[in-house]
Amino acid sequence: GAVVSQHPSRVICKSGTSVKIECRSLDFQATTMFWYRQFPKKSLMLMATSNEGSKATYEQGVEKDKFLINHASLTLSTLTVTSAHPEDSSFYICSASAGQGGIEQYFGPGTRLTVT
Amino acid sequence: AQKVTQAQTEISVVEKEDVTLDCVYETRDTTYYLFWYKQPPSGELVFLIRRNSFDEQNEISGRYSWNFQKSTSSFNFTITASQVVDSAVYFCALSEASQGNLIFGKGTKLSVKP
Repeated sequence: GAVVSQHPSRVICKSGTSVKIECRSLDFQATTMFWYRQFPKKSLMLMATSNEGSKATYEQGVEKDKFLINHASLTLSTLTVTSAHPEDSSFYICSASAGQGGIEQYFGPGTRLTVT
Repeated sequence: AQKVTQAQTEISVVEKEDVTLDCVYETRDTTYYLFWYKQPPSGELVFLIRRNSFDEQNEISGRYSWNFQKSTSSFNFTITASQVVDSAVYFCALSEASQGNLIFGKGTKLSVKP
């Protein structure tokens, strides 16, 4: 089956620094990638949708300048949390789709971000 | 508006009991897809099933079965003879063909005790 990796799996950073999370589709070309955020004991909330080579589409309430998304190739998307604050601590999950949309989304294992 | 409701926040059962997780959805699209995912404590999402809106046949996979009822907009998930390894959070999700993105319910935490 399709495999999606995320790196790092866990990261601890200091308040005010920036953190980059990578999402890779290992055995298929991902036309679309999605970034989700999950607070403890909560559901997954879609942050943004990115198509290769174009700007990401952010969901309402998600700051595009704080959560920078780059989808420069068909196998890699990155999420950069800029000037991180403790309230950004969360579980970030990416998914990748070979087609347009969510019919076949393959999820990465997630990245747990802790901002101290 | 698209919405997924999982009314059961937490369920606790004893091993070997059967358990049903409820999922009710709202959509205006006639073409849509319904999903169930399992999220164990490690955090990764495990895909369980996808159903399209034109296929109302119930599905059975080992101890798992799904009941899709368009008349009540429900897509319930039953685990037969539950096991401790079934303990996890289970998410129901909806994807409309016109939108593409996945909308998740709030999840049901299932605890299976030995």
